[in-house]
Amino acid sequence: AQTVTQSQPEMSVQEAETVTLSCTYDTSENNYYLFWYKQPPSRQMILVIRQEAYKQQNATENRFSVNFQKAAKSFSLKISDSQLGDTAMYFCAFILTSAFGNEKLTFGTGTRLTIIP
Amino acid sequence: DTAVSQTPKYLVTQMGNDKSIKCEQNLGHDTMYWYKQDSKKFLKIMFSYNNKELIINETVPNRFSPKSPDKAHLNLHINSLELGDSAVYFCASSLGLAGAEETQYFGPGTRLLVL
Repeated sequence: AQTVTQSQPEMSVQEAETVTLSCTYDTSENNYYLFWYKQPPSRQMILVIRQEAYKQQNATENRFSVNFQKAAKSFSLKISDSQLGDTAMYFCAFILTSAFGNEKLTFGTGTRLTIIP
Repeated sequence: DTAVSQTPKYLVTQMGNDKSIKCEQNLGHDTMYWYKQDSKKFLKIMFSYNNKELIINETVPNRFSPKSPDKAHLNLHINSLELGDSAVYFCASSLGLAGAEETQYFGPGTRLLVL
């Protein structure tokens, strides 16, 4: 079974600073997808960024970028120029590639990020 | 405009009651899911349906019964509610099958409190 580990339960950073959230995963498979989801106090789960394992280039979405190290099975999220609205729980998630449709999106335990004004 | 919607947003009920949570998506997606988020914020899949057909059925008590009348709707019915059922339940959808090159989009969640 695949596992996802987020070793930082909580983090805080000053507004406008850069912060990196770590995520490691365990799988013996080669083809999969990785995601970061954000859950603000409103409780909504919002997709932040996604990475296909077959792509060597790290995904970026505006202020959000990832450092994907496939050999190390590491998938960290970097938030640049952090804003108050970035305050949320951040979940790393993993799913194997399959044509059968029965793969499960596995989540880490989350990192609670607080942006300090 | 809401892509994935759930009703109700909050549900407070007594132990032993039966309740339903409804989910609708207007994205034209073929696959829908139910997830449970416990008090420690841990998210776990319960069910998935593709075009009204059950694909994933995790180890969930059979008091939980999903129903998909069409591919835009996936409802969750819970019989004989127990205290441990208190959680936030999320509906999600994706264009294709889970594990295909598809991202899952989540609804706003339903907070269920069983007293």
